[in-house]
Amino acid sequence: DAGITQSPRHKVTETGTPVTLRCHQTENHRYMYWYRQDPGHGLRLIHYSYGVKDTDKGEVSDGYSVSRSKTEDFLLTLESATSSQTSVYFCASSYSRSPPTDTQYFGPGTRLTVL
Amino acid sequence: QKEVEQNSGPLSVPEGAIASLNCTYSDRGSQSFFWYRQYSGKSPELIMSIYSNGDKEDGRFTAQLNKASQYVSLLIRDSQPSDSATYLCGGSNYKLTFGKGTLLTVNP
Repeated sequence: DAGITQSPRHKVTETGTPVTLRCHQTENHRYMYWYRQDPGHGLRLIHYSYGVKDTDKGEVSDGYSVSRSKTEDFLLTLESATSSQTSVYFCASSYSRSPPTDTQYFGPGTRLTVL
Repeated sequence: QKEVEQNSGPLSVPEGAIASLNCTYSDRGSQSFFWYRQYSGKSPELIMSIYSNGDKEDGRFTAQLNKASQYVSLLIRDSQPSDSATYLCGGSNYKLTFGKGTLLTVNP
């Protein structure tokens, strides 16, 4: 499995505060992804990156921003957290987006609660 | 909108039986298909990837792909209680879309 870590693993914050989640991978994968997972919705893509400083939106990007200053690190920021952003957030990475090297490997997840 | 649909479940099978998980997808441009297993409170872990029509076997797991019917399945033979988890189907056309998952329970 790809070596992917996420920090923090758990976080409780208040509405209106900024929050940054970090993803770190040691596989030198070019592509990195942020998903959120909610009951009844499954895994949904928030943003992804296809290289250092290269990012694009996923299907649920409103209220989120991302940055990638190094190959190994991908940050997800909630500028002003809302209760609707309470979720479990997963980071993933892949070597490419083309078969057969497009398998995504997931980090352990961050459980975020916004009060 | 590109969708991946899974049999909603939950699915319950006795130990030693064959568990059959099914998935359909709407995007005919999808080239890659994945089955992930997710234990409660854990992250998805890859079980199988499949790219060509037909069957692909790995131990007790067999993935089947039929692009004409836009159908992917996962068979788990000799099901074990440790197979109890949510199974996620994903299809990718340069962007991976997941189904909502099927909860499988294997009863001892």
